[in-house]
Amino acid sequence: DARVTQTPRHKVTEMGQEVTMRCQPILGHNTVFWYRQTMMQGLELLAYFRNRAPLDDSGMPKDRFSAEMPDATLATLKIQPSEPRDSAVYFCASGSQQGAYGEQYFGPGTRLTVT
Amino acid sequence: AQSVTQLGSHVSVSEGALVLLRCNYSSSVPPYLFWYVQYPNQGLQLLLKYTSAATLVKGINGFEAEFKKSETSFHLTKPSAHMSDAAEYFCAVSDKTSYDKVIFGPGTSLSVIP
Repeated sequence: DARVTQTPRHKVTEMGQEVTMRCQPILGHNTVFWYRQTMMQGLELLAYFRNRAPLDDSGMPKDRFSAEMPDATLATLKIQPSEPRDSAVYFCASGSQQGAYGEQYFGPGTRLTVT
Repeated sequence: AQSVTQLGSHVSVSEGALVLLRCNYSSSVPPYLFWYVQYPNQGLQLLLKYTSAATLVKGINGFEAEFKKSETSFHLTKPSAHMSDAAEYFCAVSDKTSYDKVIFGPGTSLSVIP
């Protein structure tokens, strides 16, 4: 049963600390997306990659957020320094260009709390 | 530009009653349309998708949706609600030219009353 995995599932950190979230997309998928979900803003697209190349990160605060794909099996989202307003659930999703209609497969999320 | 609206941020139905969640889209090209469901403390899960084949699409857990081009709608229905259907439902749109970029609606929270 192919699934997107995310680590950690929960993270509590203090303001100013660096946070790194990791995602393993479904094997064979070539698009990866990072979303942030909050009660106030709903689901926001932060960044996405196709074939490991970043295509759009316009939704991401550039001064503190960065997203990378070191290889096809790992995507990372880093926040440095973290702030209380970054508290949210961060989802990774992956998709395939083969017969693509755009459906995405979501991981379970990382719940981040910044105190 | 594409967009999705979902009428009603919260919908409550009685167990056994019809579920109707509304979605309207805006797209300048033929769209691909999706419904996702999010159970508490979980990621979004694809419920069903419309990809320009049959206009009535059946999904998992007894849900179905009908694409109506004239109304630019893609409403989600289920004949009889079950307690386990309580969740957040998201309508989403993409298209052939930019299928990577899926636009999600704001979501509708469904409550099922016993």
